[in-house]
Amino acid sequence: DTAVSQTPKYLVTQMGNDKSIKCEQNLGHDTMYWYKQDSKKFLKIMFSYNNKELIINETVPNRFSPKSPDKAHLNLHINSLELGDSAVYFCASSRQGAENTIYFGEGSWLTVV
Amino acid sequence: AQSVTQLDSQVPVFEEAPVELRCNYSSSVSVYLFWYVQYPNQGLQLLLKYLSGSTLVKGINGFEAEFNKSQTSFHLRKPSVHISDTAEYFCAVTNPHSGAGSYQLTFGKGTKLSVIP
Repeated sequence: DTAVSQTPKYLVTQMGNDKSIKCEQNLGHDTMYWYKQDSKKFLKIMFSYNNKELIINETVPNRFSPKSPDKAHLNLHINSLELGDSAVYFCASSRQGAENTIYFGEGSWLTVV
Repeated sequence: AQSVTQLDSQVPVFEEAPVELRCNYSSSVSVYLFWYVQYPNQGLQLLLKYLSGSTLVKGINGFEAEFNKSQTSFHLRKPSVHISDTAEYFCAVTNPHSGAGSYQLTFGKGTKLSVIP
């Protein structure tokens, strides 16, 4: 039973399109995240949601918008895709508290052509 | 703000040899430290974490790490590696005193461990 699942796993799309990546966790966690991993494997947090409220919003373009319909879901919507958006996007979740382990999904490979 | 430096981008090592992956952090406050592993085409999985107490932390798959406050290091070690340990390893830090719900992991750039048969 997958703890953090995200779909699609692979996505190839053209510049200018709008796309969404869905994420669900069945761990009962109250905090969810989106991380971006670039081609050099560097990981950086994009968003954090705690109890459906945006807590962290790193300096990402406003073309990226997280949407959380409930505590178990945090979707990522991207408008007007650009070549530089090509990356692996990881959804993750944890219990509230810095000491708690963050559980990651398997990633969504986005390629913009 | 905190930062993490992983000194080696790639570490090749022969099977059954010991390995040490180095991690140094920078922070003006106390921190929590983590090591995550990423196998090819997969997400990240926690290996171990240091919160407080004993500076030697044992994790899964035979890995351990030692927290050294004076040297601001948290190096990861394994006495004998296997082919299956080939993966990318990430050191990460977080500030436990951030506001509620705003904890975020700051990752190093990763070390690719390649185990040679």
